[in-house]
Amino acid sequence: EDQVTQSPEALRLQEGESSSLNCSYTVSGLRGLFWYRQDPGKGPEFLFTLYSAGEEKEKERLKATLTKKESFLHITAPKPEDSATYLCAVLSGGYQKVTFGTGTKLQVIP
Amino acid sequence: DTEVTQTPKHLVMGMTNKKSLKCEQHMGHRAMYWYKQKAKKPPELMFVYSYEKLSINESVPSRFSPECPNSSLLNLHLHALQPEDSALYLCASSQEGRRGADTQYFGPGTRLTVL
Repeated sequence: EDQVTQSPEALRLQEGESSSLNCSYTVSGLRGLFWYRQDPGKGPEFLFTLYSAGEEKEKERLKATLTKKESFLHITAPKPEDSATYLCAVLSGGYQKVTFGTGTKLQVIP
Repeated sequence: DTEVTQTPKHLVMGMTNKKSLKCEQHMGHRAMYWYKQKAKKPPELMFVYSYEKLSINESVPSRFSPECPNSSLLNLHLHALQPEDSALYLCASSQEGRRGADTQYFGPGTRLTVL
């Protein structure tokens, strides 16, 4: 059974203080790893899809990287508007079911 | 355009009511999904439709009945719900599952409260 573990559960940063969120996974045959951002009471907003170890993608202050066992979401010089829950999810095998991690709740303080 | 729309945004219903949630996408995606999300938990998959046919049913109680009238629309019919069914209901869509087409795009959700 696929497993996804995110750490830390919660992270509090000062504005401008860079950090990384971790997503560790155990799957048989990774087809894709996804990062989403979710604001309270809203649907997850797609950020990145990664397919192969060594792959990296960037968008504004965010950069996602992938190894064979984990993915990192690096946040450079975060702003208060980056405060949200960040969800990691994996897709494996021949199915359409993704497995979500429990998320990291990020709070950026001005 | 990666927009999935859901109506209504909020729904309050009694345990004897019948209501429906609606989801629409115009991205040409052929897979559509219903998820349930409780507070501070990740989304839980309920149903998957692929090419308008039900392909995954995660042992969801029969008081939830999905329907896919065409490739752009997905409904979730609700009947005789329980208070514990109160949650955020999310719809998502993706192109059929080939590499590069797996990403699921989510709608804003419907906040359901069962009294």
